[in-house]
Amino acid sequence: AQKITQTQPGMFVQEKEAVTLDCTYDTSDQSYGLFWYKQPSSGEMIFLIYQGSYDEQNATEGRYSLNFQKARKSANLVISASQLGDSAMYFCAMREPYSSASKIIFGSGTRLSIRP
Amino acid sequence: ETGVTQTPRHLVMGMTNKKSLKCEQHLGHNAMYWYKQSAKKPLELMFVYNFKEQTENNSVPSRFSPECPNSSHLFLHLHTLQPEDSALYLCASSPLAGVNNEQFFGPGTRLTVL
Repeated sequence: AQKITQTQPGMFVQEKEAVTLDCTYDTSDQSYGLFWYKQPSSGEMIFLIYQGSYDEQNATEGRYSLNFQKARKSANLVISASQLGDSAMYFCAMREPYSSASKIIFGSGTRLSIRP
Repeated sequence: ETGVTQTPRHLVMGMTNKKSLKCEQHLGHNAMYWYKQSAKKPLELMFVYNFKEQTENNSVPSRFSPECPNSSHLFLHLHTLQPEDSALYLCASSPLAGVNNEQFFGPGTRLTVL
C-alpha cells in the first residue's frame, strides 16, 4: 500500500533562513506524482509544487524547490529565505497513478513556525 | 467567484440535525473530492466523483451522504452525526486523471457536532 511519512511534527526557523521539510514515501508503482501543499490557519490547502516520478530535474517554484531522491524515496521541500508568512502546516502528498480520478494520499503534516 | 468555494465556512449542529455542506468549483474540472481533516490526523479522503459518478467511497459511514448533480457542484449531506465527526471538511477538484494534475482545494467547512 502507498504511504507518505513526514517525521517532523513541528519546526521553528529564523526568518530569512532556508528550511527543509522532510517527506518519504512508499510505493511499488513506477509512475506517480508528488505534491506539497501549504495550509495556513485559515484552513485552505494551497498547492505549492509538483514532482513527477519520471522528471529528471528537481521541481522549483519561486522560493520552493523539491529535493527529489528517487532511490531513497524522498521528496523534501526546501523553502529558501523563509518569511513570516510561511508559518503554516505543510503536507506532502502522492497521487496514485492511473486511477480513474486522481486519488491523492497525504502525510500527517509538519507545522512550520517562522521566528522574526 | 473563482476557484473552489465552500459554504458554510462554519457549522455547529446537534446529533439529531440534518445539514448539508456545499462545494462549487469554477475551474472546469471533472473530478471532485471530499476530505475530512481531524485534529492530529492526516487528511482523509472520503469520496471521489468523476464526471458526476462516484468512483471512490473510502469506507465512510452512511450518516455522510454525498451528492454530485453536475461536475461543478458537490454536496455532503449530514444526518445523525456523532461528536467525533467534528472536523474540517475540505472539498477539492481536479482535471480528469493524469499523474501531474494537482487538486485545488476550497477553504473548508469547520463542523462542530454537539
